[in-house]
Amino acid sequence: DVKVTQSSRYLVKRTGEKVFLECVQDMDHENMFWYRQDPGLGLRLIYFSYDVKMKEKGDIPEGYSVSREKKERFSLILESASTNQTSMYLCASSLLQENSYEQYFGPGTRLTVT
Amino acid sequence: AQTVTQSQPEMSVQEAETVTLSCTYDTSESDYYLFWYKQPPSRQMILVIRQEAYKQQNATENRFSVNFQKAAKSFSLKISDSQLGDAAMYFCAYRPLYGGATNKLIFGTGTLLAVQP
Repeated sequence: DVKVTQSSRYLVKRTGEKVFLECVQDMDHENMFWYRQDPGLGLRLIYFSYDVKMKEKGDIPEGYSVSREKKERFSLILESASTNQTSMYLCASSLLQENSYEQYFGPGTRLTVT
Repeated sequence: AQTVTQSQPEMSVQEAETVTLSCTYDTSESDYYLFWYKQPPSRQMILVIRQEAYKQQNATENRFSVNFQKAAKSFSLKISDSQLGDAAMYFCAYRPLYGGATNKLIFGTGTLLAVQP
């Protein structure tokens, strides 16, 4: 069973705080993704990584950064949290292959910024 | 740019009945994948079914089947014999076949399905 875990299910932070969301996968997947899920907007890609220390911006990278120092771990960083970053954050992973289509998702972190 | 549209924010179905969730997409590519993902309440999102655009036959997985209309760019999900465990948010997603190995998906906005006992 592929397992993608996220460090917290619920998180409450104050405006201006630096926030770290951690994601770990145990299937040796090359690709890892961070999405933001908001009602009526679906899933929007923030950043993804296809290898250690490699990253690419997704559709909504502003206000976020990422870190991938080890293959199994992909961190999302909110340098200075703002209330408009209150959302559900989903991590996913997949193999780095043309015909590999499935992404495996973590349980999500519901972040509230007050 | 490719887009995925789910026009039904919410749907409801009686247990044991059949329901169809709609999805349309826009792309200039001729080869691509389409997916339906299920996100149960407070649980992880999982893949329900996939369709390769170059295959004419509609994909089927047990009680789940799709109606893929390539010319119309339509990809609906039919759930037969609905069960209480089918209650979830359903997302339609798209990926070009030659989109590179990075496997980026484009998601729709989701349809929340309620199953009434």
